[in-house]
Amino acid sequence: EIVLTQSPGTLSLSPGERATLSCRASQSVSSSYLAWYQQKPGQAPRLLIYGASSRATGVPDRFSGSGSGTDFTLTISRLEPEDFAVYYCQQFTTFGPGTKVDIK
Amino acid sequence: EVQLLESGGGLVKPGGSLRLSCAASGFDFSTYSMNWVRQAPGKGLEWVSSISATGRHIDYADSVKGRFTISRDNAENSLFLQMNSLRAEDTAVYFCARDDTGYFSPSQYWGQGTLVTVSS
Repeated sequence: EIVLTQSPGTLSLSPGERATLSCRASQSVSSSYLAWYQQKPGQAPRLLIYGASSRATGVPDRFSGSGSGTDFTLTISRLEPEDFAVYYCQQFTTFGPGTKVDIK
Repeated sequence: EVQLLESGGGLVKPGGSLRLSCAASGFDFSTYSMNWVRQAPGKGLEWVSSISATGRHIDYADSVKGRFTISRDNAENSLFLQMNSLRAEDTAVYFCARDDTGYFSPSQYWGQGTLVTVSS
């Protein structure tokens, strides 16, 4: 069974800064099924990235995904106020524990 | 517009049962596999169960296997989760989500969730 580990657990940044979130798999995974979600309190998850690097419909281009094998990255180039949230990576039925991006 | 609307959550005693429903609209429900994903209070996302478009293929998380049953009614555009022998650790918001491109594929469309609380 694949385990996804996300780091850091919490990322404290200011609006306008760059955010780099990591997702590491316990074994090599297919990039085709690596996804990233954003979740805000009281809301359902929102798909941001699928196939490791493709943006979902309506997702701003400040969000980008990269990686392959066991190491994947979600980058938010310049944080907007609405980007402060929890981010999860997913591969098939496995979700990572999440990275919280909060305001410094 | 794709919409998923869960219902059926509530307070139930340990050992009790509950049936969740997810009403789908805005897409051809019969051609998409569907999922239940839950989130315990203050915790992360946990996949619960998936069902293929025809209902022939079904999978469960080990934590619910033998207690939960997923099903669907394509004529009624509805997804269900029958939950038996409920435990305190089943307390969570339960989301239904649509697979986008195939079984176990990422989900662009999610419902808003229904809260299940298991407590005496």
